[in-house]
Amino acid sequence: GQQLNQSPQSMFIQEGEDVSMNCTSSSIFNTWLWYKQDPGEGPVLLIALYKAGELTSNGRLTAQFGITRKDSFLNISASIPSDVGIYFCAGRSQGAQKLVFGQGTRLTINP
Amino acid sequence: DARVTQTPRHKVTEMGQEVTMRCQPILGHNTVFWYRQTMMQGLELLAYFRNRAPLDDSGMPKDRFSAEMPDATLATLKIQPSEPRDSAVYFCASGLWGADTQYFGPGTRLTVL
Repeated sequence: GQQLNQSPQSMFIQEGEDVSMNCTSSSIFNTWLWYKQDPGEGPVLLIALYKAGELTSNGRLTAQFGITRKDSFLNISASIPSDVGIYFCAGRSQGAQKLVFGQGTRLTINP
Repeated sequence: DARVTQTPRHKVTEMGQEVTMRCQPILGHNTVFWYRQTMMQGLELLAYFRNRAPLDDSGMPKDRFSAEMPDATLATLKIQPSEPRDSAVYFCASGLWGADTQYFGPGTRLTVL
């Protein structure tokens, strides 16, 4: 079945640093999504990507839909304490309603 | 502020007991998903519904799990009998068919002793 490899699994950074994480897939996706999960809550959608090569920003977050359609990247600039949480990538193939989720990247920020 | 609600938020039970988790999707959403989250497996899709009809429950252990939508405002996930390996956080999410955004509830944290 479809698999998503998300890396890194965890990150420990200093406040103010930039963050990069990525997801790769064994198959092509038509949609890439990035979610954030705060402790004790469900995932919340951050950014949705629909076209290969697309670069989309949401405040300090920027995500890209890879040209091969098998990968996606999320960058966070100038991290702040509220960025702490688990970030998930998710992909959807053409015609599918189900999302395939990555394993998550746990972000910890030292003040 | 429309949100998916889930009850209970926490449940501790003993092995062999029946567990029922409830979800109220966002009003107007016609697609409901049930996920299970564990440290080892991450987010796993258990089942999903369109217009209250089950479309796919291949992610669910059939012998003990069952998911239903008695009406458009209520989705249930039952485990009978529960086992320690069922301990996890169970999320419900809702959305519109064909749209990408799934809105997640806060989850039910289940502990089976």
